[in-house]
Amino acid sequence: DARVTQTPRDKVTEMGQEVTMRCQPILGHNTVFWYRQTMMQGLELLAYFRNRAPLDDSGMPKDRFSAEMPDATLATLKIQPSEPRDSAVYFCASGLARTSGHPGLDTQYFGPGTRLTVL
Amino acid sequence: DQQVKQNSPSLSVQEGRISILNCDYTNSMFDYFLWYKKYPAEGPTFLISISSIKDKNEDGRFTVFLNKSAKHLSLHIVPSQPGDSAVYFCASGSARQLTFGSGTQLTVLP
Repeated sequence: DARVTQTPRDKVTEMGQEVTMRCQPILGHNTVFWYRQTMMQGLELLAYFRNRAPLDDSGMPKDRFSAEMPDATLATLKIQPSEPRDSAVYFCASGLARTSGHPGLDTQYFGPGTRLTVL
Repeated sequence: DQQVKQNSPSLSVQEGRISILNCDYTNSMFDYFLWYKKYPAEGPTFLISISSIKDKNEDGRFTVFLNKSAKHLSLHIVPSQPGDSAVYFCASGSARQLTFGSGTQLTVLP
């Protein structure tokens, strides 16, 4: 039963600290998405990778957030320095892109999320 | 400026009846639409999708309707079951982006 895994599941940290969230996409998938869920905004797309290359990170605050895929089995989302307004649940999703690379066409499989609390 | 809106944060329906979840979008470039279901402490799971060339797509108890002129999307669940109780997100996509609504909590009462 292939699943997207995310670590840690819960993270509590203090303002100003660096936070790293990790995601292991489903083996064989070539797209990875990072989302943030808050009560006010719902699910926001932060970044979208295809074949490990970032295709769209326009939803991500550039000054403090960074997303990478060091290899095909690991995606990371870092926040440095973290702020209380970053408190949210962060979801990673993976999928198998069609030739068009259309993110809306890709069925995405979501991980369980990382609940981040920045004090 | 939310491009995808789910104006009802919650909906309660009796078991066996129809559940209708609604979604409005503003971007006419969106050409693909999806519904996801989310249980507490889990990630969303894909439910059903529709492309802009269609106005209806059916999968078992779930039917998605698309009204392009009104920029309106709806999900019908018939008959509703207690296990359908979850948060439902609609999402709209184009070649460059995928945008989610804020979700509707559906509660199916036994």
